[in-house]
Amino acid sequence: KAGVTQTPRYLIKTRGQQVTLSCSPISGHRSVSWYQQTPGQGLQFLFEYFSETQRNKGNFPGRFSGRQFSNSRSEMNVSTLELGDSALYLCASSLGYRVSGNTIYFGEGSWLTVV
Amino acid sequence: EDQVTQSPEALRLQEGESSSLNCSYTVSGLRGLFWYRQDPGKGPEFLFTLYSAGEEKEKERLKATLTKKESFLHITAPKPEDSATYLCAVQATVNDYKLSFGAGTTVTVRA
Repeated sequence: KAGVTQTPRYLIKTRGQQVTLSCSPISGHRSVSWYQQTPGQGLQFLFEYFSETQRNKGNFPGRFSGRQFSNSRSEMNVSTLELGDSALYLCASSLGYRVSGNTIYFGEGSWLTVV
Repeated sequence: EDQVTQSPEALRLQEGESSSLNCSYTVSGLRGLFWYRQDPGKGPEFLFTLYSAGEEKEKERLKATLTKKESFLHITAPKPEDSATYLCAVQATVNDYKLSFGAGTTVTVRA
């Protein structure tokens, strides 16, 4: 059974540019969440999507956005990149939304470096 | 605001030297406490979910336990391949089930 797949794995962008990251959840999983991981802040929740609708959002500026498609695949976008956006962006998938007992699986992440 | 605190920050063990990691939490409406293992440069790997005080789960050399205020991850007779960062996260109804993570404990096991 394939796990959570994230692309690209590594990328380097320049300040001011925008970036789009992609996530394919485990087959059958309908909920996708995104997290940012940095050495200073640890893992922080960005947003969660279920049935193509954003269900929950963390404390990040509006430059961070996302969407989910009908096949549950998800993308997140960061516009007007800043140096502080350099991080590991992790996608997580689970079967449903607001369901106790759901195991939440993470992908390998996308390493973003902003120069 | 949920608080998840892990201790110690780092733990250096000799192969075979058992030890415990702590995860303390203050949260309303706990729906689950998760343990993950993360190797450098990789995403977190799921280990356990605990749901109620008194619950215990085991996997190979790892055993997780849960009380009303904290969880412990016991590592029995660790091997070098157990070296990793162990992350604890809580899921609660008051935060719409998002995971709130602790900072992690980095475990190094020397042969």
